[in-house]
Amino acid sequence: AQKVTQAQTEISVVEKEDVTLDCVYETRDTTYYLFWYKQPPSGELVFLIRRNSFDEQNEISGRYSWNFQKSTSSFNFTITASQVVDSAVYFCALRNSGNTPLVFGKGTRLSVIA
Amino acid sequence: ETGVTQTPRHLVMGMTNKKSLKCEQHLGHNAMYWYKQSAKKPLELMFVYSLEERVENNSVPSRFSPECPNSSHLFLHLHTLQPEDSALYLCASSQDAELTDTQYFGPGTRLTVL
Repeated sequence: AQKVTQAQTEISVVEKEDVTLDCVYETRDTTYYLFWYKQPPSGELVFLIRRNSFDEQNEISGRYSWNFQKSTSSFNFTITASQVVDSAVYFCALRNSGNTPLVFGKGTRLSVIA
Repeated sequence: ETGVTQTPRHLVMGMTNKKSLKCEQHLGHNAMYWYKQSAKKPLELMFVYSLEERVENNSVPSRFSPECPNSSHLFLHLHTLQPEDSALYLCASSQDAELTDTQYFGPGTRLTVL
């Protein structure tokens, strides 16, 4: 069985603060992919990153960074120097090998206050 | 041009109505998906089409009927819906329906069933 847990339902930060969104996953497969998506108020899910289970290198893209740790089954997402435009719901997702669906967490609603 | 478009963006319908949601992708992808996003619940996969063939149907009630006339278009036909079917319906596409393929989402149709 596969499962994604985003324990933080809502987070509020003041602009320019750093914020980390947690994601913990469960899977029995050794081959899988992890994703983060952003859903702004407009509704569209915007793809942010994909990471496969064999690549534990952390990744940085501008103000965004991701920390993948297989030992703790976590794939956390950090936004540095947050901005109001970062306000959105962020989803972590997992897909196992084989013909299995993409499984999403319940999402974390991030509010960045000016 | 936006990769995945959905129309209408908002729809209000009575329980006896028949309506259709439309999705179009301009990415040259071969796989398309319907998801349902209800309040307080994770995104739920409803249907998957690959090369216009349905490859997955996650026990969706028959009042939801998908149609994929070609690899660029996907419809969701609705009839005799219930109020609990009110949700955001998201369409997505990917190159193929493989593990390694990232899904790209449209903006969704916000459906309200009265």
